[in-house]
Amino acid sequence: QSALTQPPSASGSPGQSVTISCTGTSSDIGGYNFVSWYQQHPGKAPKLMIYEVSKRPSGVPNRFSGSKSGNTASLTVSGLQAEDEADYYCSSYAAKNKVIFGGGTKLTVL
Amino acid sequence: DVQLLQSGGGLVQPGGSLRLSCGASGFTFSTYAMSWVRQAPGTGLEWVASISGSGGSTYSADSVKGRFTISRDNSKNTLYLQMNSLRAEDTAVYYCAKDALMAVLRFQFDNWGQGILVTVSS
Repeated sequence: QSALTQPPSASGSPGQSVTISCTGTSSDIGGYNFVSWYQQHPGKAPKLMIYEVSKRPSGVPNRFSGSKSGNTASLTVSGLQAEDEADYYCSSYAAKNKVIFGGGTKLTVL
Repeated sequence: DVQLLQSGGGLVQPGGSLRLSCGASGFTFSTYAMSWVRQAPGTGLEWVASISGSGGSTYSADSVKGRFTISRDNSKNTLYLQMNSLRAEDTAVYYCAKDALMAVLRFQFDNWGQGILVTVSS
């Protein structure tokens, strides 16, 4: 099963909003509401930012939001801050008890 | 606080074996599915294997099937990954991760270990 498709890079100025897309198929994103987003700073473990498409774990700022339409999920970061600069990965439950990740998007805060 | 403390990584020759451990604390270990996720140098995340809370069900990626075995000891709050027939392409940082939802495996990971490097090289 191929990786989910993410843009390799995204950028925005402080205070702006940026949206990162994640495209899959009807066998993963389109078929299930178990889409997650992770933030990873260099040399650190990933951190869960969004689960079940749009839910935020406790402690994640409400500047982070998730959505899904068809086979594409999206992560929106509003009010960009310097500390949001990181790699972001999407993932989705896939058929037959597997999970697939996106290739990652490097978010740069200009 | 949830803590996942990993051990067991290192350098191993191609064809060799290694066992990773992940000690858990701060939650009821037996009620959560657990997984291993790896990240090769400079690349993205790749799911490796998962196990149900009871240990009765296991799942693994095609790339490691037949070579890697995930297991857990709920009496010791510890997750394991036995890696056999290691290849150069298995070189990666390996993370253990806890599922976000209790009692079901939905492959959404809300807590991660610190990561441990496995290098397969002669």
